[in-house]
Amino acid sequence: GENVEQHPSTLSVQEGDSAVIKCTYSDSASNYFPWYKQELGKRPQLIIDIRSNVGEKKDQRIAVTLNKTAKHFSLHITETQPEDSAVYFCAASPQMYSGGGADGLTFGKGTHLIIQP
Amino acid sequence: GAGVSQSPSNKVTEKGKDVELRCDPISGHTALYWYRQSLGQGLEFLIYFQGNSAPDKSGLPSDRFSAERTGGSVSTLTIQRTQQEDSAVYLCASSLQAAFSYNEQFFGPGTRLTVL
Repeated sequence: GENVEQHPSTLSVQEGDSAVIKCTYSDSASNYFPWYKQELGKRPQLIIDIRSNVGEKKDQRIAVTLNKTAKHFSLHITETQPEDSAVYFCAASPQMYSGGGADGLTFGKGTHLIIQP
Repeated sequence: GAGVSQSPSNKVTEKGKDVELRCDPISGHTALYWYRQSLGQGLEFLIYFQGNSAPDKSGLPSDRFSAERTGGSVSTLTIQRTQQEDSAVYLCASSLQAAFSYNEQFFGPGTRLTVL
């Protein structure tokens, strides 16, 4: 099965600086890589995702990069703000184009991002 | 529209008792997933439903865990003879699962289970 490793477990950055979270995966069949943000006591929410046919995707201050050869993908947050403080989870899934079946997501263990004022 | 809902929000039970956790997915979502999140840990995949069938039960940790889904909608996760290590937040998610498309999973608020 798939195994997803996520680093670091905790990341503290000054407000306004950039934050980078890295994940590696083991199953070459994985082709869908979402990132979820979970604020304290709340449910995980999707913030950005990337498919295997794309190397980079950007949405305002958030970007994700994917290197399929090396089996790793990263989340980049620029100009960090206090509301970015949360736990971020990467995930991987071999979701199939056929739509007839899709495995559950395999999540990394999460990164606690702390934005220092 | 309404999101994924789960009940109860909190459940405290004694070791050895059975519990049932309920998930109401977003209307029209054919795929439904159960995950478990232990304190300070990531999300552990338990089981996936496509319609009423469960093609992937690989994540269920033991035969004390079972799940069913009826009418392609509501799902129930049952834990028999609960143990203290079952204490966790149980999260349900649903997705549209349209063909030829990757589909975002929308999470419910979770059920916090505490086994004394």
